[in-house]
Parts: sequence; structure tokens; C-alpha cells
Amino acid sequence: ETGVTQSPTHLIKTRGQQVTLRCSSQSGHNTVSWYQQALGQGPQFIFQYYREEENGRGNFPPRFSGLQFPNYSSELNVNALELDDSALYLCASSLKGREETQYFGPGTRLLVL
Amino acid sequence: AQSVTQLGSHVSVSEGALVLLRCNYSSSVPPYLFWYVQYPNQGLQLLLKYTTGATLVKGINGFEAEFKKSETSFHLTKPSAHMSDAAEYFCAVALNTGFQKLVFGTGTRLLVSP
Repeated sequence: ETGVTQSPTHLIKTRGQQVTLRCSSQSGHNTVSWYQQALGQGPQFIFQYYREEENGRGNFPPRFSGLQFPNYSSELNVNALELDDSALYLCASSLKGREETQYFGPGTRLLVL
Repeated sequence: AQSVTQLGSHVSVSEGALVLLRCNYSSSVPPYLFWYVQYPNQGLQLLLKYTTGATLVKGINGFEAEFKKSETSFHLTKPSAHMSDAAEYFCAVALNTGFQKLVFGTGTRLLVSP
């Protein structure tokens, strides 16, 4: 069974740029959630995707957007990067109807300069 | 709204000592509760979860937690700490608002000394 994978592991961008982060769900999982974990904080929910549509969203601005593909892989896109976007971005996959049990990837650490 | 409070941003124990990490939640409905562990520069690993049934939940690496509704608590314990237990621990509650999302506490860093 393949776990959740994310790429890249680390990324450095400058303010105003755009970034795309990628996630491959655990085998058999059809729901993906994204979280932002700032330094010294717990993860904060960004949004969740199911059947290629956004299923729910946290308190993040529209410049945070996502995609889910037919193979259940996913992307997180962030436009107009701000310094405060520097964080660890975590992807988690789960089964629809069992979304409470989420399995996390290793994360992508984004640094915005 | 559901929320999670973890008491103590840092907990220090000696190797072989009891580990107790505290978590209290607020919820208007029966919650699903979780403990995750995060090792340096890694993602989150599920330690254990409570959904329904037995209130004492056993997880991986010898950890367990007890759901106490009357105290709105879900404290994590391990009888004997090991050096490899040093990590950040997060308590989380599943919030169902038409979809499920996890609401995390701010985390507790466990330090284990020889």
C-alpha cells in the first residue's frame, strides 16, 4: 500500500510569485484535504476535495486554490505569495464517509522571501 | 464551534518515566478525537483515534488515551518514555459541517532526557 506523497519537499519563492504543490493520495483514498502549518503552530485546514470538486473550505483567501484529478492526486496553488504564506503545507487523504481518519504526507516546506 | 486546547507547549520527562500529554476539547456533539505525532521535518502520523465504543483507546508505540466526556478530555499517556518518543504531539477533533475537517491544538513538544 502506497502512502501519501508530496512534492517538492522544499521550495523557496519570492513575494508576489505563484506556487503549485502536489500530492498523491494513499491508494484507494478518494478525498484529499490540505492544511497549512505555520512554524510553532498546529495545522490549519485550507480545503478538501472529493470527486474533483471542492467539498469544504477553511478561512483562507481565494488566492489559495486547488485541483483534484481523476486519479485522486491533487494540487494546491497559491497566487500572489505573501511572507506569511511561509509554512509547511500538508496533504491528507481519506475515504469518503470516513474523512475523520486522515493520513498525512510528509509535507512541502515553503519559504517566501 | 469545536476547539482543542493542549495544556503545556513543552513537557519534559526522563527516560522510563510516565508520559502525560493533556488535551481538552469543546464540542456540542459527540466528537471524534485524535492524537498525531510529528517528528522533526516530517508530516503527521496518526497515533490513535476515538470515534465510538470503548473510551480507552490504544495506539501505536505503546501510547493510549482515554475519552472522558464528563471532563471533555482526551489525555495521551505512555507508561514508560523512550528517547525515540521525543517529538511534537497534536490533539485534534473532527468537525463535521457537511464535510469532515480536523481542528488541531497548538501542539505539545515532548522532551525525553536520559
